[in-house]
Amino acid sequence: EDQVTQSPEALRLQEGESSSLNCSYTVSGLRGLFWYRQDPGKGPEFLFTLYSAGEEKEKERLKATLTKKESFLHITAPKPEDSATYLCAVQADRGSTLGRLYFGRGTQLTVWP
Amino acid sequence: DTGVSQNPRHKITKRGQNVTFRCDPISEHNRLYWYRQTLGQGPEFLTYFQNEAQLEKSRLLSDRFSAERPKGSFSTLEIQRTEQGDSAMYLCAGGLPNTGELFFGEGSRLTVL
Repeated sequence: EDQVTQSPEALRLQEGESSSLNCSYTVSGLRGLFWYRQDPGKGPEFLFTLYSAGEEKEKERLKATLTKKESFLHITAPKPEDSATYLCAVQADRGSTLGRLYFGRGTQLTVWP
Repeated sequence: DTGVSQNPRHKITKRGQNVTFRCDPISEHNRLYWYRQTLGQGPEFLTYFQNEAQLEKSRLLSDRFSAERPKGSFSTLEIQRTEQGDSAMYLCAGGLPNTGELFFGEGSRLTVL
């Protein structure tokens, strides 16, 4: 069964204190791994897509990396506005479930001034 | 703003009543997804459409749940005989084939008393 596990569940950082969020996955044939950001009471907002091990994507203070077993979301010098829940999702490379994304439970990030 | 609108944003109903949610994606999104999210959990896949065809349904989608996408435009999700366990945020997302980049609406929050 396809699974996505994110850690830690919650992370508190002081402004400027860099850290990483982890997403480990088990899927029979990875088509893609995705990172989303979700603010309270809102729908998830797409951040990155990673397709193959070794791939990296960057956006402002965020950098996502991918290995064969896990992905990391690195946050460099975070600011309070980076506070949100970060969700990881995978898409399997199988015909019958080609459409769906399997989401993890997310990491709730709080950045305090 | 993803351009995906959901209505109503909030719905409070009594157990046993029927409710219907509507999702209007942007015209370019020929795929439309429904997810359900409860507090502290990631989104759970319910179903998705490509144009007007419903291509996949989750086992989570009991007989009380039905979704339609007439003419491949807007979609409705109906829950019959609601139960307290149906209380959740119902998220709609638009997307394109062969991509996991989904554009979520802000969700419809259901509370069943």
